[in-house]
Amino acid sequence: GDSVTQMEGPVTLSEEAFLTINCTYTATGYPSLFWYVQYPGEGLQLLLKATKADDKGSNKGFEATYRKETTSFHLEKGSVQVSDSAVYFCALSSGTYKYIFGTGTRLKVLA
Amino acid sequence: DTAVSQTPKYLVTQMGNDKSIKCEQNLGHDTMYWYKQDSKKFLKIMFSYNNKELIINETVPNRFSPKSPDKAHLNLHINSLELGDSAVYFCASSQEKSQPQHFGDGTRLSIL
Repeated sequence: GDSVTQMEGPVTLSEEAFLTINCTYTATGYPSLFWYVQYPGEGLQLLLKATKADDKGSNKGFEATYRKETTSFHLEKGSVQVSDSAVYFCALSSGTYKYIFGTGTRLKVLA
Repeated sequence: DTAVSQTPKYLVTQMGNDKSIKCEQNLGHDTMYWYKQDSKKFLKIMFSYNNKELIINETVPNRFSPKSPDKAHLNLHINSLELGDSAVYFCASSQEKSQPQHFGDGTRLSIL
């Protein structure tokens, strides 16, 4: 079945450091891919998405590119801020109502 | 206006009790979901309804019963609560298959 694997956390960075959170997937067909962010005490919020190969999703300085050849959708940001501290989830949907989420990666940014 | 709202936000109760969590969305979406998030942040789908019809029912104990009176509401009733039911429960909605989901802020259920 479909699955999503993302890097174990926590990830601890200093402010203004470069961020990469790895995400790889297995799926039949051509899934839509998502990154969600969860701040403490809140629900998940869509951060960005990509629906086909080579699409780049971007939002709030975060980017991720849908790489079919490596089945990856890594999240990147050039310069993180303390306010980016949160849990990040990679997810996919293969044209059904079911969404598969990764285990989440906690990011902590230090001032 | 809150897009997906759940009540209550916190629920503390004794083992063996029955409780309900309510969810409403004002986005006009056709599909609604219930997820359970454990203490390690792992998110597991429980149920999904599309236009009031059950379309996803994962391996969830029969003590959990969802009800969708209309497509804007999806409630979750839990009978005979157990310690292992302690978690954060999230309601979500989406318009179509593979479209982004919108989540509520969660209901933190604690069983004493």
